[in-house]
Amino acid sequence: DIQMTQSPSSLSASVGDRVTITCRASQSIYSYLNWYQQKPGKAPKLLIYAASSLQSGVPSRFSGSGSGTDFTLTISSLQPEDFATYYCQQSSSTPFFTFGPGTKVDIK
Amino acid sequence: EVQLVESGGGLVKPGGSLRLSCAASGFTFSSYSMNWVRQAPGKGLEWVSSISSSSSYIYYADSVKGRFTISRDNAKNSLYLQMNSLRAEDTAVYYCARDAMVGGYYYMDVWGKGTTVTASS
Repeated sequence: DIQMTQSPSSLSASVGDRVTITCRASQSIYSYLNWYQQKPGKAPKLLIYAASSLQSGVPSRFSGSGSGTDFTLTISSLQPEDFATYYCQQSSSTPFFTFGPGTKVDIK
Repeated sequence: EVQLVESGGGLVKPGGSLRLSCAASGFTFSSYSMNWVRQAPGKGLEWVSSISSSSSYIYYADSVKGRFTISRDNAKNSLYLQMNSLRAEDTAVYYCARDAMVGGYYYMDVWGKGTTVTASS
C-alpha cells in the first residue's frame, strides 16, 4: 500500500504570507497527486490535480509542484479565506486512493 | 448546478445496519465512477469504496470489506452504501464524491456535504 505523509501537521501564518506544504509518498506516484482544501464542517474542495494542474475556479495563488515521491502545495499570498486544512491524495493506485493526514493552516 | 446530496445517516447500535444514499443532479450520472469517503470526528479523510459507471467494477477499503456494499441506480441518479455489522470505529461523516479523469489522472472533483453516521450503544 502507498502511504502518504504531510509536513508540517499544522502551521500558523499571517495574511499575505507565502505558505508551503509538503507531501511525501512511500513510493513513486509519478504525478498522480491531488490537493484538497477543507474548512471546518464543510466538504473537501479540489484545488490541484495531477500534481500541478489548477482546478477550474481555484485562485491562481494556489500552485502545486513535484513528481515521484515529493510534492509541494504553495499559497503565494495567504488570504483570510485560505485558513483551512489541506490534504494531499495519491491516485497512482486508483481506485485505492490514499489521503495524507492533513495540514492545518491557522491564523498567527 | 452539479450537486451531490447524501442522506440516510443516523445513530445506530454497534452490530446494526444503515443504508446511505447520494442523489446526483446537474450532470450525466451514468457516465461517472463514484466514491464514498469518510471522516471520523477530528480525523482525516479515508477512502471507503468506489463503483464504476456501469457497476462493473467495485472496490472497497480493507477496513470495510465484507461489511459494506456499494451500489448505484443510474435510472434514479443515485449512489448507495449499505453498511452492516457497524462498529464504533465506523462513526464518521460519509461523503459521496464524483470521480473525474483527465489524461489518465484521476481525482474527486465534486463532493456532497456529507451525512453523519454514529455507531454507539
